[in-house]
Amino acid sequence: GQNIDQPTEMTATEGAIVQINCTYQTSGFNGLFWYQQHAGEAPTFLSYNVLDGLEEKGRFSSFLSRSKGYSYLLLKELQMKDSASYLCAVRGDNNDMRFGAGTRLTVKP
Amino acid sequence: GAGVSQSPSNKVTEKGKDVELRCDPISGHTALYWYRQRLGQGLEFLIYFQGNSAPDKSGLPSDRFSAERTGESVSTLTIQRTQQEDSAVYLCASSPRGGGAGNQPQHFGDGTRLSIL
Repeated sequence: GQNIDQPTEMTATEGAIVQINCTYQTSGFNGLFWYQQHAGEAPTFLSYNVLDGLEEKGRFSSFLSRSKGYSYLLLKELQMKDSASYLCAVRGDNNDMRFGAGTRLTVKP
Repeated sequence: GAGVSQSPSNKVTEKGKDVELRCDPISGHTALYWYRQRLGQGLEFLIYFQGNSAPDKSGLPSDRFSAERTGESVSTLTIQRTQQEDSAVYLCASSPRGGGAGNQPQHFGDGTRLSIL
């Protein structure tokens, strides 16, 4: 079966750092993606990991440990506009993509 | 346009009617995906097309749901005898290629918001 787990909701303060975790158990693995989705809008691509380690892209970083089936998305210097849902997705060996239920992040002043 | 296009953007219909949702992927994208997203929830995988291979239909929730794709272009998702539980946003996504590694994220359309009365 396919399991992709994330916390349902998180709250953080403007200017702070937040880490959103994702654990997965899938029948195949060909990369892990993070997407951002604002309410009422389509998801947009944030980051991609296929090898173990940290990928940094501006204020956003993503980490992967394949042996542990674990990833996190790190958001630094939080801004109010970062309030959104963050979706973890795993690509399988057949290029199929499965999503977690998403983490709703609220950034407070 | 250059992005994934879905139509209609909104659809309201009565319970028991059939509906057809359309997706135009980005030109040249071989992979096409349909997802369902209920209010406040994550993306539920429905079906995946990859080139001329047999589609992965493992996410379709019942035999009332079906989807077709013509070559590597337009796809239609059909829901027969709609029920109130089918109310959701139906999202389509495409990606450039299939079956391999590489940073090839999905590009999403804006979705069709389906409401069953």
